[in-house]
Amino acid sequence: KAGVTQTPRYLIKTRGQQVTLSCSPISGHRSVSWYQQTPGQGLQFLFEYFSETQRNKGNFPGRFSGRQFSNSRSEMNVSTLELGDSALYLCASSWGILAGVNEQFFGPGTRLTVL
Amino acid sequence: SQQGEEDPQALSIQEGENATMNCSYKTSINNLQWYRQNSGRGLVHLILIRSNEREKHSGRLRVTLDTSKKSSSLLITASRAADTASYFCASDSNYQLIWGAGTKLIIKP
Repeated sequence: KAGVTQTPRYLIKTRGQQVTLSCSPISGHRSVSWYQQTPGQGLQFLFEYFSETQRNKGNFPGRFSGRQFSNSRSEMNVSTLELGDSALYLCASSWGILAGVNEQFFGPGTRLTVL
Repeated sequence: SQQGEEDPQALSIQEGENATMNCSYKTSINNLQWYRQNSGRGLVHLILIRSNEREKHSGRLRVTLDTSKKSSSLLITASRAADTASYFCASDSNYQLIWGAGTKLIIKP
């Protein structure tokens, strides 16, 4: 079974630009979650989508948004990029049907650098 | 910061020894999960323990959970070079994972 894939793997942008990251979950998984990982703040939850609906959201500004398509693929968008948005963005998929947060299967991440 | 806490921050042991990492969290949880991250395989789920469980085993891994102390521990027995990685606990609080800062484990040959 193919794992979680994320594109692109690396991205360099300048302040003020916007960026869209893509994630394809494991086949059959309906939940997709996004995380930001930085050396200073560690791993932080951004949001989770299940069956095209945002089911949960972390404590990030509105510049961070996402969506999920009918095939469970998900995109994350960051508008008006700031230097502090430089991070590894990780996507994770899960069945999403059990109570609580299910076991997460992570993709390799997108390394975003904002100059 | 919402981060949970883990200790030690770093741990260096000889191959074959046991490694113990501890995690504390702040709020009531549905479950607590442990993950491993290294450059080769990325972030990988190791084990999930539910709030009504006290101990769980998976191969060379043993996890304990004490909800009264809001803490968990991960024991890796008979360590191998391939266990070199960063280990994170993640507590499921309000249906989102709150992550610890991680323990960097180095296994010396």
